[in-house]
Amino acid sequence: AQKVTQAQTEISVVEKEDVTLDCVYETRDTTYYLFWYKQPPSGELVFLIRRNSFDEQNEISGRYSWNFQKSTSSFNFTITASQVVDSAVYFCALKGRGATNKLIFGTGTLLAVQP
Amino acid sequence: DAGVIQSPRHEVTEMGQEVTLRCKPISGHDYLFWYRQTMMRGLELLIYFNNNVPIDDSGMPEDRFSAKMPNASFSTLKIQPSEPRDSAVYFCASSPTRAATRYNEQFFGPGTRLTVL
Repeated sequence: AQKVTQAQTEISVVEKEDVTLDCVYETRDTTYYLFWYKQPPSGELVFLIRRNSFDEQNEISGRYSWNFQKSTSSFNFTITASQVVDSAVYFCALKGRGATNKLIFGTGTLLAVQP
Repeated sequence: DAGVIQSPRHEVTEMGQEVTLRCKPISGHDYLFWYRQTMMRGLELLIYFNNNVPIDDSGMPEDRFSAKMPNASFSTLKIQPSEPRDSAVYFCASSPTRAATRYNEQFFGPGTRLTVL
């Protein structure tokens, strides 16, 4: 079975702090894909990143960075120098390679960045 | 390019009424997904289509829910009769054909917030 666990339900930080959102996944597929989505207070789901299981390079995009570690089945997301606009619910998701095209979502982490 | 379009954005109805949610996927995308988001169950996939054909409807909660995709640019999710426990945000998403670079990515619409009184 496939499963995504986001153990942090809520995180509160003060602006300019760095914050890491944890994501642990379970899958029996040897090829799979991991995603992060952002859901701001307005409600839409915004795609942030996709990672293939065969590419363990970490990625940085501006203040965002992602640490993919197959050995611990984790795909953590770090925001550096957080800003109030980063306040949102962040979802980690998993998709196997098989015929099914399903995205399995974690329960989300609510990030509140205080000014 | 326009993103995924959903209508209405908000729907308030009374228990027992029929509700129809609409979705227009991104042009050229072969896959269309319907998700439901609630506090209790999070984001869950209800059904998805490939080339207008339903592939997996195992997430559809019960017979009161039905989904159709009459053509590549339009899909509906219908609830009849609606119940208060159907209150949720319903998202539609689409993704490109398998041959596309971004095949594995799903692009979400803004969602329809449904309230059943």
